[in-house]
Amino acid sequence: DIQMTQSPSSMSASLGDRVTITCQASQDIGNNLIWFQQKPGKSPRPMIYYATNLANGVPSRFSGSRSGSDYSLTISSLESEDMADYHCLQYKQYPLTFGSGTKLEIK
Amino acid sequence: QVQLKESGPGLVQPSQTLSLTCTVSGFSLTSYNVHWVRQPPGKGLEWMGRMRYNGDTSYNSALKSRLSISRDTSKNQVFLKMNSLQTDDTGTYYCTRDNYGGWYWGQGVMVTVSS
Repeated sequence: DIQMTQSPSSMSASLGDRVTITCQASQDIGNNLIWFQQKPGKSPRPMIYYATNLANGVPSRFSGSRSGSDYSLTISSLESEDMADYHCLQYKQYPLTFGSGTKLEIK
Repeated sequence: QVQLKESGPGLVQPSQTLSLTCTVSGFSLTSYNVHWVRQPPGKGLEWMGRMRYNGDTSYNSALKSRLSISRDTSKNQVFLKMNSLQTDDTGTYYCTRDNYGGWYWGQGVMVTVSS
């Protein structure tokens, strides 16, 4: 199975900060990765698909990138509504695997 | 409009079998894959398994011995059955449809395993 190592597990940042969350894949997944945002009591919402593509309706301050086996989600200027949990999912190979999640809090 | 809705018992006794239904609308089960994903309280997401558009299934390696996913295309429903439930199976269970531009999710159903 492909392991997705997500970091950090939690972080606190100030409004306006640049924030980056990373998932490292244990095997090649191409760009077959989605980032989800999840707020308390809600279902996950897709933010980035195929590693670098902005999902429908997602603000342009969100972006996705890849460097080798490392996949990153970046928020260029943190807003209060971005406080949430973030999860990556690889869909290159079955069984699909999620990262362990990142809890993003606002300072 | 794509919609998915999970239904099933909120409480299951230890060692019993969980049966959940995902009822979909706005798309055909013979054209898209539907997955089951669960989330223990306060923890991350776990992919459980998939019903492929052609009827094939795939399962999480750790759950494969206890898990079965099936469907009834005439009723637009996908079913999850998992046996030998334990307390660590407590959590929210989601059905979700994959899509190149992002996935569609149901609202989830909370399942508590307790005597």
